[in-house]
Order: sequence, then structure tokens, then C-alpha cells
Amino acid sequence: AQSVTQLGSHVSVSEGALVLLRCNYSSSVPPYLFWYVQYPNQGLQLLLKYTSAATLVKGINGFEAEFKKSETSFHLTKPSAHMSDAAEYFCAVSESTGRRALTFGSGTRLQVQP
Amino acid sequence: DSGVTQTPKHLITATGQRVTLRCSPRSGDLSVYWYQQSLDQGLQFLIQYYNGEERAKGNILERFSAQQFPDLHSELNLSSLELGDSALYFCASSVAAGQSADTQYFGPGTRLTVL
Repeated sequence: AQSVTQLGSHVSVSEGALVLLRCNYSSSVPPYLFWYVQYPNQGLQLLLKYTSAATLVKGINGFEAEFKKSETSFHLTKPSAHMSDAAEYFCAVSESTGRRALTFGSGTRLQVQP
Repeated sequence: DSGVTQTPKHLITATGQRVTLRCSPRSGDLSVYWYQQSLDQGLQFLIQYYNGEERAKGNILERFSAQQFPDLHSELNLSSLELGDSALYFCASSVAAGQSADTQYFGPGTRLTVL
């Protein structure tokens, strides 16, 4: 069984500030980990994914995430927030063996204040 | 634009009715996944098809069923609808059922409202 916990359903940052969205996972097998972003009234767009290669993963729009096995974490960061980053962010896990379906966290809504 | 299309965008129906949601995967993708997004349950995996065959099942109710056709498009059928079935239904596609972490590309969703 696998699960994802996203700490903080709402995060608010100022424009230009560091963005940190937290994700912890639980998986009985080595996981694949993903971050998706959902803008209002749109589908989910992949930001980045971890597939057991490099532990620091760079994604689109300046986002990156670091896989830390010892902490079972995959936190998403961006050095400087833009207004356009305001959206809902979902962390997801899938099994590296067996089922490929994604198990999602509950999501974190990011607000960017001017 | 992910390349995954879903129709209709919005659907309003009454309790007890039956509806069909349609999904066309990206060109070349063989796997189709269905997910439900609701306020109380969040994003949940329902079912996966790969090249016409059911591959995996998640939290899909018995009142719900799906299929994938030879042209690889998929339909999700929801019957005996209840108020609690109101949600956003997403389809996603990927290249394969895969041994690797294929990216799942999501469609824009169908918003179902049951009155």
C-alpha cells in the first residue's frame, strides 16, 4: 500500500519569496514520485518526477524537488515565487513494480501575494 | 494542451440517471486511467485500461464501469447516480502500462453535477 501526505492545505508566500511545499510518502516498494500542478478549471500538469535516477529533480517553471529516502520526503521548492505560480499542487506516488496508478496527496493551494 | 481530450466538459443530470463520459488519449498512448476528484475524497484512482484490457482497479463503485475500444478511446459509464457522485472526472493517458515511470498526461476533465 502507498500513501502521500501533504502538510499544509494552504500556503501563502510573497512574490519573490521561497516556495516550499511539503510531501511525505509511504510505500512498501521503491516509489516513483510526482508533482502535478492544477490551475483553476484545468487538468493536472506534470511539474516533475522522480524515477530513482538523480535524487534532485528539476522540473518546469523553475521548480525542483529532492528525494530523501531517510525522511520519506519529496518536498517541492522554487527559489522565487511568481504571481503565475498561484495554483493547487499535488504530490503523487506510484509503485515502481506493479500498479502504475497514481495515489495523490490532498493537495496544497499556493497563494502568491504581491 | 496535454493532447488528451474529454467530452463533455460539463454534465448536469438527476439522481438515478446514467451518463457516459468519453476520453481520447494522446496519439500513441495505450494506457488510459480514470480518476475522480471530489471535495471530500480528493483525487482518487478509479480504473486503468491498457490496449483494450482492464489493467488495474481502484476505488471504483459497482455502479461505475469503463471500457477501452479498439481505437483506444475510453468511456466511463456511471449509473444509478447519487448526489455524492458529483465530481470532476479526469482521464489520463500514458504510453504503456509500463516498466518505467511513464508520465500520465491528464485531460481537462468532465464536471458532473447530480441534482
